[in-house]
Amino acid sequence: LAKTTQPISMDSYEGQEVNITCSHNNIATNDYITWYQQFPSQGPRFIIQGYKTKVTNEVASLFIPADRKSSTLSLPRVSLSDTAVYYCLVGDRLSGGYNKLIFGAGTRLAVHP
Amino acid sequence: DGGITQSPKYLFRKEGQNVTLSCEQNLNHDAMYWYRQDPGQGLRLIYYSQIVNDFQKGDIAEGYSVSREKKESFPLTVTSAQKNPTAFYLCASRANYRADNEQFFGPGTRLTVL
Repeated sequence: LAKTTQPISMDSYEGQEVNITCSHNNIATNDYITWYQQFPSQGPRFIIQGYKTKVTNEVASLFIPADRKSSTLSLPRVSLSDTAVYYCLVGDRLSGGYNKLIFGAGTRLAVHP
Repeated sequence: DGGITQSPKYLFRKEGQNVTLSCEQNLNHDAMYWYRQDPGQGLRLIYYSQIVNDFQKGDIAEGYSVSREKKESFPLTVTSAQKNPTAFYLCASRANYRADNEQFFGPGTRLTVL
């Protein structure tokens, strides 16, 4: 399972765009890149997932360069409610359907007024 | 509403006692997982189950036990053998037919050993 490296913490202000970059140098061919968001005392919530290039949904965008050794989660115009921990994970579906995810310490994003 | 429920939200136990944490899902998911989270840390996998009557140890299974007698339920027992059980416990589930890595998490149970 590929290891990921992401900043421990980030600070931003309301209305700004936030970009969190994750490094995953040993990503395997079949690995997807997935981001989760976690608020204090709650379970993580799936945000977005991608394999290559760019993926966008109603919450965020995920940019993945051609070599796939890194990825960037982009949160447009953050608000105070985006203050949370963001986890970057890589992994695949092993044969048989088992899916093992490795959660690191994540990036603590603090959004200020 | 479909989802995952965990109970209780807060749990206190005396040292040396076993305690069982409940996890129920009505999402018709095959796979279920138990994670432990310590303050300021990421999640660590305790046990997982792909199908009924089958489960596997995760990275930190010592001192824990599980059962999977029904598809909807995956209870976790924290035994007295677990040296430091105070933590936030999260249950998750996933549909095996999915090709992605989306797991659905419950609200968690915060266990405190007194």
